[in-house]
Amino acid sequence: GQNIDQPTEMTATEGAIVQINCTYQTSGFNGLFWYQQHAGEAPTFLSYNVLDGLEEKGRFSSFLSRSKGYSYLLLKELQMKDSASYLCAYNAGNNRKLIWGLGTSLAVNP
Amino acid sequence: DAEITQSPRHKITETGRQVTLACHQTWNHNNMFWYRQDLGHGLRLIHYSYGVQDTNKGEVSDGYSVSRSNTEDLPLTLESAASSQTSVYFCASSERQGIDEAFFGQGTRLTVV
Repeated sequence: GQNIDQPTEMTATEGAIVQINCTYQTSGFNGLFWYQQHAGEAPTFLSYNVLDGLEEKGRFSSFLSRSKGYSYLLLKELQMKDSASYLCAYNAGNNRKLIWGLGTSLAVNP
Repeated sequence: DAEITQSPRHKITETGRQVTLACHQTWNHNNMFWYRQDLGHGLRLIHYSYGVQDTNKGEVSDGYSVSRSNTEDLPLTLESAASSQTSVYFCASSERQGIDEAFFGQGTRLTVV
């Protein structure tokens, strides 16, 4: 079967670092995406990992371990504008559809 | 700049009416998708298309249909609107599905009364 899990809510302080985890179980895997979605807006792409390891992009980094079925999104130097929902989604490999997590709502407090 | 647009942004309709939501992209992407997003369910795939004249059912396709007569457009039709179809609908497109980033439209908030 296909399953993907991430925490529902997280809270962090401006300037801090936060790690949002995503775990998945699948018989087929061809990469994992992270998207950011502000309230009332469309999701926007953050990162894509297909190989194990850390990919860094400015304040945001994403990590993947295929053997553990695990990914995380690391946000550094948090800003108020980072308050949003963060969605992980993996490509199950079969006809290229994405399987989406429910999203993690991150609140950044001053 | 290339973009993907949805219309209308908001729609209120009555139960039983047929409703069509428009999606237009200028990325020249072959892959287009319709999702609905509801609290507690995340993004759920309704229908998708990998090219002109190609359409496929997603996980929640009952009561919905799509057609793909050109590269740019993938309209979503609710054949007979039901209250359970009250949701936010997102259209998306990508160059290579599952590998490249998907670009999402602004969303359509549909209320069925």
